[in-house]
Amino acid sequence: GQQVMQIPQYQHVQEGEDFTTYCNSSTTLSNIQWYKQRPGGHPVFLIQLVKSGEVKKQKRLTFQFGEAKKNSSLHITATQTTDVGTYFCAVNDQTGANNLFFGTGTRLTVIP
Amino acid sequence: DAGVIQSPRHEVTEMGQEVTLRCKPISGHDYLFWYRQTMMRGLELLIYFNNNVPIDDSGMPEDRFSAKMPNASFSTLKIQPSEPRDSAVYFCASSLRGFETQYFGPGTRLLVL
Repeated sequence: GQQVMQIPQYQHVQEGEDFTTYCNSSTTLSNIQWYKQRPGGHPVFLIQLVKSGEVKKQKRLTFQFGEAKKNSSLHITATQTTDVGTYFCAVNDQTGANNLFFGTGTRLTVIP
Repeated sequence: DAGVIQSPRHEVTEMGQEVTLRCKPISGHDYLFWYRQTMMRGLELLIYFNNNVPIDDSGMPEDRFSAKMPNASFSTLKIQPSEPRDSAVYFCASSLRGFETQYFGPGTRLLVL
């Protein structure tokens, strides 16, 4: 089945520092989505990447899809306390099966 | 729109009891998903519906779990009988186009004693 690894599992940063989380798949992906879940909250859709090498930006967040469509990254510039939460990637592989596999998530703590 | 609505928000029950979780998707969304989240297994897709029809229930853990969608604005996930290992947060999500851009509800936190 689909294997989705996210690293790191946890990250503590000082407010103002940058943060990056990586998502790696064992298979070629059709697309990848990123979600954010605040503590005690529910996953909230951030973005979807479809094209090889695609880069999208949302204010301080930069999302990238690897050339081989097997990995992706989420980078946050100058973190703020509002960035606290767990960031999940979710992948749809190219087997044709309709499913969405969530990564294990990276829990970000921002120290004021 | 109010977003996806789930009830109850919290449920505490005893082993062996029946538990029913409810979900109202966003109006106009043709897809509805039920997920379970635990520390050990993360976020898992249990079942999803398209136009009220169950499409894939391969994620449903056991026969104790069942889900229905009698109409476009209501779905239930039932566990009968419940067991302590069913304790988790159960999320309902809906979308316009399949697995793209899913909108999650606030979740039901279930504790089975």
